[in-house]
Amino acid sequence: GNSVTQMEGPVTLSEEAFLTINCTYTATGYPSLFWYVQYPGEGLQLLLKATKADDKGSNKGFEATYRKETTSFHLEKGSVQVSDSAVYFCALSPKGGSEKLVFGKGTKLTVNP
Amino acid sequence: NAGVMQNPRHLVRRRGQEARLRCSPMKGHSHVYWYRQLPEEGLKFMVYLQKENIIDESGMPKERFSAEFPKEGPSILRIQQVVRGDSAAYFCASSPSSENTEAFFGQGTRLTVV
Repeated sequence: GNSVTQMEGPVTLSEEAFLTINCTYTATGYPSLFWYVQYPGEGLQLLLKATKADDKGSNKGFEATYRKETTSFHLEKGSVQVSDSAVYFCALSPKGGSEKLVFGKGTKLTVNP
Repeated sequence: NAGVMQNPRHLVRRRGQEARLRCSPMKGHSHVYWYRQLPEEGLKFMVYLQKENIIDESGMPKERFSAEFPKEGPSILRIQQVVRGDSAAYFCASSPSSENTEAFFGQGTRLTVV
């Protein structure tokens, strides 16, 4: 079946530190991969996506590369800010579109000044 | 352009009552998805609807849960005879089509069963 495993949190960093949140997946076929972010009290927002192997998604300084050989889609940012504090969800779409997303459990990130 | 609107934001129900959760998709979006987030868990797919049709309800519990998306008005997720285990955050998402790779999420409804 389809599943997403992401590193357990919470993660606490100081401002300007380097961030990595690991995400691996299991899927049949050729899924699309996503990172969503949930700020306190809000819904999920799409942060970035990649639709095929070796694609790199990027947005707001965050990056993730679709690695088929390692079935991974790790999220990285070179220098985090306090405003990046949120819960980050890795997700896949088995059919590549927006239906029936499969989510990881989420990783809570806190960035201290 | 308003985003996906869910109401109420918070809902408290006693065991055995009915819960009705509403979702108005973004303008121009005819595809709606419902997800449930249990404490300390990721979001789990429940149901996918198009106007007046249920496309995929493979994530819906077999009893007490139902969903609709009428021709006019919001999508409704209904939970009958709620139990404590139904306490969760319920999120709705919408997209203009299923092929589109971005689903836009609402802020969720947090249901508490007491």
